[in-house]
Amino acid sequence: RKEVEQDPGPFNVPEGATVAFNCTYSNSASQSFFWYRQDCRKEPKLLMSVYSSGNEDGRFTAQLNRASQYISLLIRDSKLSDSATYLCAVNVVSGGTASKLTFGTGTRLQVTL
Amino acid sequence: DGGITQSPKYLFRKEGQNVTLSCEQNLNHDAMYWYRQDPGQGLRLIYYSQIVNDFQKGDIAEGYSVSREKKESFPLTVTSAQKNPTAFYLCASSRSGHSQNIQYFGAGTRLSVL
Repeated sequence: RKEVEQDPGPFNVPEGATVAFNCTYSNSASQSFFWYRQDCRKEPKLLMSVYSSGNEDGRFTAQLNRASQYISLLIRDSKLSDSATYLCAVNVVSGGTASKLTFGTGTRLQVTL
Repeated sequence: DGGITQSPKYLFRKEGQNVTLSCEQNLNHDAMYWYRQDPGQGLRLIYYSQIVNDFQKGDIAEGYSVSREKKESFPLTVTSAQKNPTAFYLCASSRSGHSQNIQYFGAGTRLSVL
């Protein structure tokens, strides 16, 4: 089983729709969780960190479910500019203070008119 | 303007040649990382460094080497031992290696084999 798994999509949604992605992780010792956005042929950029109590940033809501070991990203009122690949990343501390960020393969979102 | 600068943007390697990818940051971050991304794949960790003069292998270190002589710089050498080097290489940095610290990425280098 992969350490971090995402549905690759693509998710094709009309403008204004609400769309949700999940990301499952296998290591129960995972400590930190992030969503990154990656545009075609560009570097990933942090979208938001995911906190235990859930957090919201404008149209974006991130949630963590430790019992079922997944994080989610909800995008409301989708815009054309939201079209991108969304990568989840999970951080596990190993070997003392060293930590490693493991990325999912990403979920591609295409918002259409 | 603070950030992470990777150069060159595009790089071509001949068979049997070693090439070095540059990564410089002026964010005063302690930790730096190198990832490789193949089409349709996630990012895979090659090497990381939490402090000057120290670095650790990631998940796919074979065929690569790094150095960390200065806090600002973490160059990656793709050696001739790396048989499939064509990929998008991303350098990242974070304030420290602590799990809470967010990693920020450079714009990447696309490496192709001639």
